[in-house]
Amino acid sequence: RKEVEQDPGPFNVPEGATVAFNCTYSNSASQSFFWYRQDCRKEPKLLMSVYSSGNEDGRFTAQLNRASQYISLLIRDSKLSDSATYLCVVNAGGFKTIFGAGTRLFVKA
Amino acid sequence: DGGITQSPKYLFRKEGQNVTLSCEQNLNHDAMYWYRQDPGQGLRLIYYSQIVNDFQKGDIAEGYSVSREKKESFPLTVTSAQKNPTAFYLCASTRQSVPGYTFGSGTRLTVV
Repeated sequence: RKEVEQDPGPFNVPEGATVAFNCTYSNSASQSFFWYRQDCRKEPKLLMSVYSSGNEDGRFTAQLNRASQYISLLIRDSKLSDSATYLCVVNAGGFKTIFGAGTRLFVKA
Repeated sequence: DGGITQSPKYLFRKEGQNVTLSCEQNLNHDAMYWYRQDPGQGLRLIYYSQIVNDFQKGDIAEGYSVSREKKESFPLTVTSAQKNPTAFYLCASTRQSVPGYTFGSGTRLTVV
């Protein structure tokens, strides 16, 4: 079993749709959680951290469920510019950081 | 503007050749990292360095070497011992107590 697992997609959604991604992690000692966005052939960029109480940044909402060991990312009112690969990143302390392989999202006009 | 500069953007390596990828940051970050990204896989850690003149192996260090002679610079050498070097290489840095990595724009290495 991979330490961090994501559905690779692709998710194909129309503009304006709401889309959600989940990510599961295996290490129950994991301490911090992030979502990164990666455009095709570019470097990953931090989208948002994920906090225990859940957090929102504009159209993006992140949730953490420690009991079930998953995090989620919800994107509301999808834009064409949201098309990218979304990476789930989990840190188990120190330099033990695991990157998921990513979920691809295509938003269509 | 502060950031991480990786060069070259594209690099072609012949069999049996060593090549060095450059990574320079002007963010005053202490920790620097090298990751490798292959299609369909998550980023995998090659080496990391917390301070000058000190570095540690990551999960896939075989066939690679690094140095950290200056805080700003963390070059990666891909040696001939690395049998499958074709990949996208990403350099990153972090600052203590600030979450998240800052990545360079990457170097795409191809064996010819």
